[in-house]
Amino acid sequence: DIQMTQSPSSLSASVGDRVTITCRASQSISNYLNWYQQRPGKAPKFLIYTASSLQSGVPSRFSGSGSGTEFTLTISSLQPEDFGTYYCQQSYSTPWTFGQGTKVEIK
Amino acid sequence: QLQLQESGPGLVKPSETLSLACTVSGDSITNTYYWGWIRQPPGKGLEWIGSIYNSGSTTYNPSLKSRVTISIDMSKNQFSLRLRSVTAADTAVYYCARNVSVNLSSTKYNWFDPWGQGSLVTVSS
Repeated sequence: DIQMTQSPSSLSASVGDRVTITCRASQSISNYLNWYQQRPGKAPKFLIYTASSLQSGVPSRFSGSGSGTEFTLTISSLQPEDFGTYYCQQSYSTPWTFGQGTKVEIK
Repeated sequence: QLQLQESGPGLVKPSETLSLACTVSGDSITNTYYWGWIRQPPGKGLEWIGSIYNSGSTTYNPSLKSRVTISIDMSKNQFSLRLRSVTAADTAVYYCARNVSVNLSSTKYNWFDPWGQGSLVTVSS
């Protein structure tokens, strides 16, 4: 199985801050990388596919980059509604696997 | 707008079978090719369980493959999950989702969107 490791596990930032979350794969996955946001008590929401393509309706302050084994999710200007846990997921090979999550808190 | 809703017992006894259904509304289940199940133990991360193609062919996570069956019922616009011989470790919120599978630049990509609201299943006697 491909292991996905996210860092940091949690972070606290202020509204307006630039936030960056890193996801590393245990082997090269090209750009087969998705990102999701999960608010407490809610289902995950799909944000980004192919590492950098924004899903329709997702605010442009979200962006993704990377290829191979290292990827980043960036929130350019953190908003109050951006709190929650963010997960990366590889779709290079089954079993599809997720990172352990990065919890984003608003200061 | 496509919506998914999980249904089934919230409590299952150890060694018994967990059964959940996912009802799809807003579109025919035959119009999208793949459907999936993902689970999340309390306070933990996400684990893909398996996916089913609308033809009925399935792909399972090897870690659960010996105990899992995913099936599809087009007459009810539903797909279902059965997990046999459950233990406390199977306690989780179970999500159903559309497993989008698309060809982009001659390459197939997969993701899950949208998701159902989730169904908490507790395994306890």
